[in-house]
Amino acid sequence: ETGVTQTPRHLVMGMTNKKSLKCEQHLGHNAMYWYKQSAKKPLELMFVYSLEERVENNSVPSRFSPECPNSSHLFLHLHTLQPEDSALYLCASSSQEGTEAFFGQGTRLTVV
Amino acid sequence: GENVEQHPSTLSVQEGDSAVIKCTYSDSASNYFPWYKQELGKRPQLIIDIRSNVGEKKDQRIAVTLNKTAKHFSLHITETQPEDSAVYFCAASRNQKVTFGTGTKLQVIP
Repeated sequence: ETGVTQTPRHLVMGMTNKKSLKCEQHLGHNAMYWYKQSAKKPLELMFVYSLEERVENNSVPSRFSPECPNSSHLFLHLHTLQPEDSALYLCASSSQEGTEAFFGQGTRLTVV
Repeated sequence: GENVEQHPSTLSVQEGDSAVIKCTYSDSASNYFPWYKQELGKRPQLIIDIRSNVGEKKDQRIAVTLNKTAKHFSLHITETQPEDSAVYFCAASRNQKVTFGTGTKLQVIP
């Protein structure tokens, strides 16, 4: 166990649903990330939070809404998704610039 | 923004041979270059990293080289074993923003 936990592991949702992905880290890191992994773009950075402040928003559609209430928790709120949003969503954390990012096991999302 | 290109996308080698994966990056301010290994159905995990003030780093059968002038870096795996089969990602990092390459699927044939 790397210390980064994601829930749920699998999620199937309709295009009109609202759901949230959760990420939790107990490594004392101060930066957290959301990545999307699909066949088309293997590891695509979505959002970066550093010290609970969003520092990167990589042109992600507004149907994805991140939330970082504290340095240990990160959420990704989903609403009115499209089938092409089906992918593996990976959370990661790191302690500071230029250090290893630890990944969670991911949430396999299927939009039907 | 940073752009990281990785080649080849797939690589097959015989067990015991060496494997080389190459990456280029565009942002000269990137200063940290990690390599991750992702086995099927598992999360990416760091296998080796190098910082911009170092040209080469080795850890047992794995080595990484960095050419800052040319903005390229490479992963070298010697004496490959079947358990080395996985997808390998290079990355370039600056200010906690990590940009990954597109991955290389390595298959080691016993």
